[in-house]
Amino acid sequence: QVQLQESGPGLVKPSETLSLTCAVSGYSINSAYYWGWIRQPPGKVLEWIGSMYHSGSTYYNPSLKSRVTISVDTSKNQFSLKVSSVTAADTAVYYCTRLLREYSYGPSDYWGQGTLVTVSS
Amino acid sequence: EIVLTQSPGTLSLSPGERATLSCRASQSVSSNYLAWYQQKPGQAPRLLIYGASSRATGVPDRFSGSGSGTDFTLTISRLEPEDFAVYYCQQYGGSLEVTFGPGTRVDIK
Repeated sequence: QVQLQESGPGLVKPSETLSLTCAVSGYSINSAYYWGWIRQPPGKVLEWIGSMYHSGSTYYNPSLKSRVTISVDTSKNQFSLKVSSVTAADTAVYYCTRLLREYSYGPSDYWGQGTLVTVSS
Repeated sequence: EIVLTQSPGTLSLSPGERATLSCRASQSVSSNYLAWYQQKPGQAPRLLIYGASSRATGVPDRFSGSGSGTDFTLTISRLEPEDFAVYYCQQYGGSLEVTFGPGTRVDIK
């Protein structure tokens, strides 16, 4: 059973960098799947952030690309998200996901429970 | 950017009834790369349908997807109590362009 668990600070100050980690259990991240991040601002629409392969190949939402980095640590079977220069608009529940096989960006069939990150001074 | 519009915003139905949810795209979705998700309060979304009409693993056959181009439909043939939730569509047909619709809430009448 694949399980994903997000972790990281729940409060980040404006202009700083948001950092989250997704620990994967029940499946090796060194597999034929892409892994990704999606966020959902309170009461708003889901937003795709990006996805990555264990080889390091990444795809990012063009609207966020300049501020986002997704990386992988295969030794710990986890991957990470960094969003720089955050503002209140980055306040959201952040989900890590596994994408359906053969998709580098697209539908996700496994999701973490989500973690709320609030940007505030 | 492909903008997705979902209708109705809220659908009030009784258990056992049929639910028909619409997702319309501002331009044609390439290869019918359209997915549907179900989300309950406090939970992550759950993938129901991908490729417009393929059911994800473990999804009951009362859920079906159809459509092509710019118009897509999610149908729940007979609503079960656990089906009352918010449903989102997602398109992933554009080059590095993945967008979600605003959602349709299915409420108990």
